[in-house]
Amino acid sequence: EDQVTQSPEALRLQEGESSSLNCSYTVSGLRGLFWYRQDPGKGPEFLFTLYSAGEEKEKERLKATLTKKESFLHITAPKPEDSATYLCAVQLIQGAQKLVFGQGTRLTINP
Amino acid sequence: DAGITQSPRYKITETGRQVTLMCHQTWSHSYMFWYRQDLGHGLRLIYYSAAADITDKGEVPDGYVVSRSKTENFPLTLESATRSQTSVYFCADSLAGPSDTQYFGPGTRLTVL
Repeated sequence: EDQVTQSPEALRLQEGESSSLNCSYTVSGLRGLFWYRQDPGKGPEFLFTLYSAGEEKEKERLKATLTKKESFLHITAPKPEDSATYLCAVQLIQGAQKLVFGQGTRLTINP
Repeated sequence: DAGITQSPRYKITETGRQVTLMCHQTWSHSYMFWYRQDLGHGLRLIYYSAAADITDKGEVPDGYVVSRSKTENFPLTLESATRSQTSVYFCADSLAGPSDTQYFGPGTRLTVL
């Protein structure tokens, strides 16, 4: 069964304390991996798409990386406004019309 | 630039009633999607549409009906609501399909009593 697992479920950091969120997947064939940010009471907001192992993408304090089994979202020197739930999703080669989402990591950055 | 909007934002209904959730996009994107988000399950695809008059089932379609007579609208109907359909529903769209960036609406929180 295709599965996407995110860890940890929740993470509290102090402002400026760098860390990484993990998204591991066991799927039959990966077409792409997506990262989204979701603020409370709002819809997910697109961050990155990664397509092949070794690929990296950066945006401000966030960097996403991809291997054959997992993806990491590295957050460097986070600020309180980076607090949100971060979702990863995979698009499969078969059944490519859907994204399989992980359950998310709830990130809190304390000032 | 309104993007993608959903209405209502909150809805309380009773078991057995019909409920329609509305989704409207202003970009004329081809693809539209309906997801539900539940604790412990993450986001799951209910239905999607590749174009006007073309719809297909997602992961959890039972109990839901969709239509897309116009490119910009993609309503989701619960024909006879059940408590298990209590959830937050998100509509999304993308220009070229699931591999393209999906833009999500603000969501509708539905409670079925």
